[in-house]
Amino acid sequence: QKEVEQNSGPLSVPEGAIASLNCTYSDRGSQSFFWYRQYSGKSPELIMSIYSNGDKEDGRFTAQLNKASQYVSLLIRDSQPSDSATYLCAGYSGGYQKVTFGTGTKLQVIP
Amino acid sequence: KAGVTQTPRYLIKTRGQQVTLSCSPISGHRSVSWYQQTPGQGLQFLFEYFSETQRNKGNFPGRFSGRQFSNSRSEMNVSTLELGDSALYLCASSEQGREQYFGPGTRLTVT
Repeated sequence: QKEVEQNSGPLSVPEGAIASLNCTYSDRGSQSFFWYRQYSGKSPELIMSIYSNGDKEDGRFTAQLNKASQYVSLLIRDSQPSDSATYLCAGYSGGYQKVTFGTGTKLQVIP
Repeated sequence: KAGVTQTPRYLIKTRGQQVTLSCSPISGHRSVSWYQQTPGQGLQFLFEYFSETQRNKGNFPGRFSGRQFSNSRSEMNVSTLELGDSALYLCASSEQGREQYFGPGTRLTVT
């Protein structure tokens, strides 16, 4: 069983719509979660970090964490073609002292 | 603060040779992790070093090794290169339990 799971996609949304990216995790000891954006051929870039239950907003991005359901999501409002990339979800487990990445969801924003 | 730097950025090697890649973390970060990424694949975790000690290790053969120096700079070495080792090698640094920041990567081509 993978520790952090994401749907590989591609997820296609029209320009201006809300893109919803989801991630589930198996380790209940996971304390913090991170979302990264990776363009093809480039290294991952940190978008959001979330440490507690609830929502965290930063510009067009909102990260949501539900520890009871072991679920993390990233919402991108007013999606732009430049948002087309692979989005990686990662969780940090204090017990194992390690970060585990999901395999990523490819997002395509259609103009 | 300066970001994570990796050298060299590009490398071409022949099968059977060995290679050493270098990573300089963000100042103050004591954790350095290494990942391999092949086209269309997710991040494959190689190993993590914290304060000069290997704390976590992925499922790679012993040809892959690493080390960390007292200034937190890290190197990884791949011996007896195989064609399948051609990949983007990414280094990421972090503070304990916090988000990882990635370097630009070293693109290794084995011919």
